Amino acid sequence: DTEVTQTPKHLVMGMTNKKSLKCEQHMGHRAMYWYKQKAKKPPELMFVYSYEKLSINESVPSRFSPECPNSSLLNLHLHALQPEDSALYLCASSQTGFVEQFFGPGTRLTVL
Amino acid sequence: EDQVTQSPEALRLQEGESSSLNCSYTVSGLRGLFWYRQDPGKGPEFLFTLYSAGEEKEKERLKATLTKKESFLHITAPKPEDSATYLCAVQPFLNNNAGNMLTFGGGTRLMVKP
Repeated sequence: DTEVTQTPKHLVMGMTNKKSLKCEQHMGHRAMYWYKQKAKKPPELMFVYSYEKLSINESVPSRFSPECPNSSLLNLHLHALQPEDSALYLCASSQTGFVEQFFGPGTRLTVL
Repeated sequence: EDQVTQSPEALRLQEGESSSLNCSYTVSGLRGLFWYRQDPGKGPEFLFTLYSAGEEKEKERLKATLTKKESFLHITAPKPEDSATYLCAVQPFLNNNAGNMLTFGGGTRLMVKP
């Protein structure tokens, strides 16, 4: 299994809602990532988890809250988002070390 | 500061017309350079990893090469299904074991017309 899955595929939420994005991989990877991608721009790193511990937080606002319940799962909890947070949210995973990352299909988030 | 610049931003080719995409990088120390393909609204698909100058990798109509300052993605006799955005990313050497950080270039949007 060489796949990273993400749910939901699409999400529309109001500025006062609380929602969560989910990511799962079964490749035995011990590093997992959240990226944000705006239209016609490259992915921007948000968070890195290594061995289920948060190792990098790229100065992301606290309305985004990551969680890594186990080595296969990664969540991104969303609360009080702004319309400018609308984007494609990508999850990725990799072995630790200097190796390639594998991306999921993304969740298209729209904040009204 | 690490920088990755891809050119051209957009490229239109006729089917069968070979060309090259460029990725220029400035990093304090390069641990790896990665090429990805991304279709609209989807996640990037991994293509190649290059670690040292002179290294080459091939897959079907694609060939990636690496020098000390840049990488090229050569597309031979492209087909319409090769139309996508091609992203280059570098992984710099980090002393703090902070994890696997990638710095992406802006991408090249390739359109291949039949």
